[in-house]
Amino acid sequence: AQKVTQAQTEISVVEKEDVTLDCVYETRDTTYYLFWYKQPPSGELVFLIRRNSFDEQNEISGRYSWNFQKSTSSFNFTITASQVVDSAVYFCALTYTGGFKTIFGAGTRLFVKA
Amino acid sequence: KAGVTQTPRYLIKTRGQQVTLSCSPISGHRSVSWYQQTPGQGLQFLFEYFSETQRNKGNFPGRFSGRQFSNSRSEMNVSTLELGDSALYLCASSSEGGLAKNIQYFGAGTRLSVL
Repeated sequence: AQKVTQAQTEISVVEKEDVTLDCVYETRDTTYYLFWYKQPPSGELVFLIRRNSFDEQNEISGRYSWNFQKSTSSFNFTITASQVVDSAVYFCALTYTGGFKTIFGAGTRLFVKA
Repeated sequence: KAGVTQTPRYLIKTRGQQVTLSCSPISGHRSVSWYQQTPGQGLQFLFEYFSETQRNKGNFPGRFSGRQFSNSRSEMNVSTLELGDSALYLCASSSEGGLAKNIQYFGAGTRLSVL
């Protein structure tokens, strides 16, 4: 079965704090992709990052970084020095070869207070 | 390049009616997926179309249907509306179908309220 779990329902931080969003996934496929999307109040999901199952190198892109660990089936996402504009719902997602669909986690609502 | 366009943005219907939602993908994108988003169930996959063919379907009743036209525009239809169909319906397009790595580009959604 394919499944994505985001255990954190809501997180509240003060501006400039670092925040990490957790994601745990389940899949029997050896080839798959993991994504993070952001949904601001306007409604449309915006792509943030993508990682494939063969590349466990962790990267930093601006204020965003991610930690992919196959051993624990986790794909965590960190925002450094959070800003009020980062307030949104963040979704972790999984796609797998031949599935023709994306499985989303329940989302984590992030509040960044000034 | 224009993004994914969904129309209408808001709809109010009554139980028993039917509704059609429209999605225009990014130019050149041939894959269109539909999702239902509710507070209780989150984002749930409805169906995916590529080159006018439905290639996968989620666990929704037959009242939910869709189609894709030769210009890649897609419509979804919900017949015999129920109160539980109230949701934000999101459409996403991607450049190629069937490739798990594809980034999906989402529209702003159609918010459907069933009274």
